[in-house]
Amino acid sequence: DQQVKQNSPSLSVQEGRISILNCDYTNSMFDYFLWYKKYPAEGPTFLISISSIKDKNEDGRFTVFLNKSAKHLSLHIVPSQPGDSAVYFCAASYTGNQFYFGTGTSLTVIP
Amino acid sequence: EPEVTQTPSHQVTQMGQEVILRCVPISNHLYFYWYRQILGQKVEFLVSFYNNEISEKSEIFDDQFSVERPDGSNFTLKIRSTKLEDSAMYFCASSDRGTSGRSLWEQYFGPGTRLTVT
Repeated sequence: DQQVKQNSPSLSVQEGRISILNCDYTNSMFDYFLWYKKYPAEGPTFLISISSIKDKNEDGRFTVFLNKSAKHLSLHIVPSQPGDSAVYFCAASYTGNQFYFGTGTSLTVIP
Repeated sequence: EPEVTQTPSHQVTQMGQEVILRCVPISNHLYFYWYRQILGQKVEFLVSFYNNEISEKSEIFDDQFSVERPDGSNFTLKIRSTKLEDSAMYFCASSDRGTSGRSLWEQYFGPGTRLTVT
């Protein structure tokens, strides 16, 4: 079951620069997409969501872009801060209950 | 800020034993979920629960698993006869489905229970 894929297991970015995390999906029925951040020994923390009727959603430093034709979404963090260093998961659903998670991208923001 | 709590933080059990993982969701939330994450792998949905019944479950959630909301505050996951492959971090989550004005799909996760089956 690889309905949601995050092909980059890790990413390093300088503080103040933009971090771009990518996510691809295969199920065209997905309507809802979320990004979570996870620190070690903690549960995932919700960051931002987008529905399939939109192509962009912004919340402070975080922006999610959705390209339905390419079945691709991305999370932009601008500017990146050392506290953003964590594992980021994208997740998708077509029911709003069962979310399919990607394998995660470990972001390191270098001071 | 209200949070989801889970107990125990780590549970070690022998294969074939029953385990119950406990969660206290955020008090005004009505939607509850269990997920698991096998070490080094992705987070996997197990089950969602609303109005005292399962609303959706994954293929992983077979007859060995059950969930219950025994009182107004706890939400439990029971594994009847544990297998080695049940070893994972189990996360409980809850949601108000946007009634607080935040995202409709935002789920609040607990810190997890690490289950080790030997």
